[in-house]
Amino acid sequence: LAKTTQPISMDSYEGQEVNITCSHNNIATNDYITWYQQFPSQGPRFIIQGYKTKVTNEVASLFIPADRKSSTLSLPRVSLSDTAVYYCLVGSGGGGGNKLTFGTGTQLKVEL
Amino acid sequence: NAGVTQTPKFQVLKTGQSMTLQCAQDMNHEYMSWYRQDPGMGLRLIHYSVGAGITDQGEVPNGYNVSRSTTEDFPLRLLSAAPSQTSVYFCASSFPGTAYNEQFFGPGTRLTVL
Repeated sequence: LAKTTQPISMDSYEGQEVNITCSHNNIATNDYITWYQQFPSQGPRFIIQGYKTKVTNEVASLFIPADRKSSTLSLPRVSLSDTAVYYCLVGSGGGGGNKLTFGTGTQLKVEL
Repeated sequence: NAGVTQTPKFQVLKTGQSMTLQCAQDMNHEYMSWYRQDPGMGLRLIHYSVGAGITDQGEVPNGYNVSRSTTEDFPLRLLSAAPSQTSVYFCASSFPGTAYNEQFFGPGTRLTVL
């Protein structure tokens, strides 16, 4: 499974755009990039998933360059409620099951 | 849909005791998994199942057993609890597929082993 590296923590203010970058130099051809969000005392929640270029949904955008060795989660106009840990995961779910590997994640703190 | 449910929410055990953590999902997901999360760390995969009757080991399987007799249920058994198993346990489920599909997580069980 591809190992990921992301910043341990980030600080931001309400209304700002936050970009969290994840490095995954050993990503395989079949691997997808998935981001999860986790609030204290809750299970992780799926945010977004992509394979290449750009993916956007109602809560975030995911930018993936052509070499796919990194990816950036973009959260537009964050609010206090976006304070959470964000995990970047790389892998594929076929055959061997969803063998997710979570790193320590990025603790995002949003202030007024 | 209730989604993924876990019971109990909290549990305190003494060293050497055994217990079963329950996990159920009502989304007809084939894939189910168990993770543990220690303070300040990410989740680590214990066991997973790709369908009824099929289970396999994850990253940290020692001290835990699982079985999958139905699509809905995936219990995790601690055979002889140890203090090192103090952790928060999360169950998750998803549909299978070639892509890395969205996993739905339960609310967790907080286990303390004295």
